[in-house]
Amino acid sequence: NAGVTQTPKFRILKIGQSMTLQCAQDMNHNYMYWYRQDPGMGLKLIYYSVGAGITDKGEVPNGYNVSRSTTEDFPLRLELAAPSQTSVYFCATWSGTDTQYFGPGTRLTVL
Amino acid sequence: GEDVEQSLFLSVREGDSSVINCTYTDSSSTYLYWYKQEPGAGLQLLTYIFSNMDMKQDQRLTVLLNKKDKHLSLRIADTQTGDSAIYFCAESYGGATNKLIFGTGTLLAVQP
Repeated sequence: NAGVTQTPKFRILKIGQSMTLQCAQDMNHNYMYWYRQDPGMGLKLIYYSVGAGITDKGEVPNGYNVSRSTTEDFPLRLELAAPSQTSVYFCATWSGTDTQYFGPGTRLTVL
Repeated sequence: GEDVEQSLFLSVREGDSSVINCTYTDSSSTYLYWYKQEPGAGLQLLTYIFSNMDMKQDQRLTVLLNKKDKHLSLRIADTQTGDSAIYFCAESYGGATNKLIFGTGTLLAVQP
């Protein structure tokens, strides 16, 4: 039982490049979330999903896209990377009760 | 909109109690959480409290909730150097979707 996994752990992008941050869970949770954490700050919600095929915007969705074709996977897409997207990205899941479970994070730098 | 505020820094001596405070704005929050983050690491859930509770105790941790003042606190008894980390308060909002809004974190420094 791996919980929430994220790949890659680290990535450096050039301005204008694109990439997909992967998030996978094996807990069969319907709810999944993407947060970003800027240096010295708390986490801010980018996008979330309440189940396969359903996604919605959070606080800071601009510059990102998501999809949820299966319960297990919730990838986050950056189409045109900008320096403002340098951050640590956390994926989380929720069963509908108690707490959200967080992945280990992806550290992204855009130069 | 929703907002969560925390003090930025707290320094205590080893063996003392630490109290980290948090204020929030959404009176309809269902859950309130405390997370711990060590340098370069992810978030570790410490404890959480339902909004209809006043207090929750879990070993060295005590959470107090004052709903009238929208104030949440985390008390760590017998603080150890291993407790040095950033502590985040978070409140849920958005009803059944359980979206979280986080405070900016409190850096706890434990002096030996």
